[in-house]
Amino acid sequence: DIQMTQSPSSLSASVGDRVTITCQASQDISNYLNWYQQKPGKAPKLLIYDASNLETGVPSRFSGSGSGTDFTFTISSLQPEDIATYYCQQYDNLPRVTFGPGTKVDIK
Amino acid sequence: QVQLVESGGGLVKPGGSLRLSCAASGFTFSDYYMSWIRQAPGKGLEWVSYISSSGSTIYYADSVKGRFTISRDNAKNSLYLQMNSLRAEDTAVYYCARGVTAWDYWGQGTLVTVSS
Repeated sequence: DIQMTQSPSSLSASVGDRVTITCQASQDISNYLNWYQQKPGKAPKLLIYDASNLETGVPSRFSGSGSGTDFTFTISSLQPEDIATYYCQQYDNLPRVTFGPGTKVDIK
Repeated sequence: QVQLVESGGGLVKPGGSLRLSCAASGFTFSDYYMSWIRQAPGKGLEWVSYISSSGSTIYYADSVKGRFTISRDNAKNSLYLQMNSLRAEDTAVYYCARGVTAWDYWGQGTLVTVSS
């Protein structure tokens, strides 16, 4: 299976800060990568698909980039409602889709 | 609007069985692949199984292969997960979700607890 790693595992930032999370795949996955946001007690929500495409209705402060093995997820200006855990997910080798371990984002 | 509502979770003893259901509405269910994804308490997300729109193509994670069976009834707009030979490590919130490569709609989840 393709292994996904994320860093950092957690972070604290101030409202308005730029937040960056990285996701690395154990092998080339082209752009077959999605990003999800999960708030406590809630289901995950798709934010970014195919590495850089913003899902409909998702605020433009969220963005994604990368291809191959290295990917980046950015919140351009952190808002209080962005407190959540963020997961990357690859689907290069269907059906064996795998998630990263998650990055917990808090407000400082 | 799209809605996915899971049901059927609960407490079951190791070795027992449980059947989860997911009722879909707000979209043409028969047009979409559907998946089950689970999350153990305090842990990350794990894909469990998916089924094609017609039901002809099915895949399972190795961790559940041979014990879980996914199915769907397009006439009833429903997705199912039959879980047999349950183990403590199957304890998780189980989500149904629309899609197979990216899941754009998720249910609220149903908790399955396997414990004696």
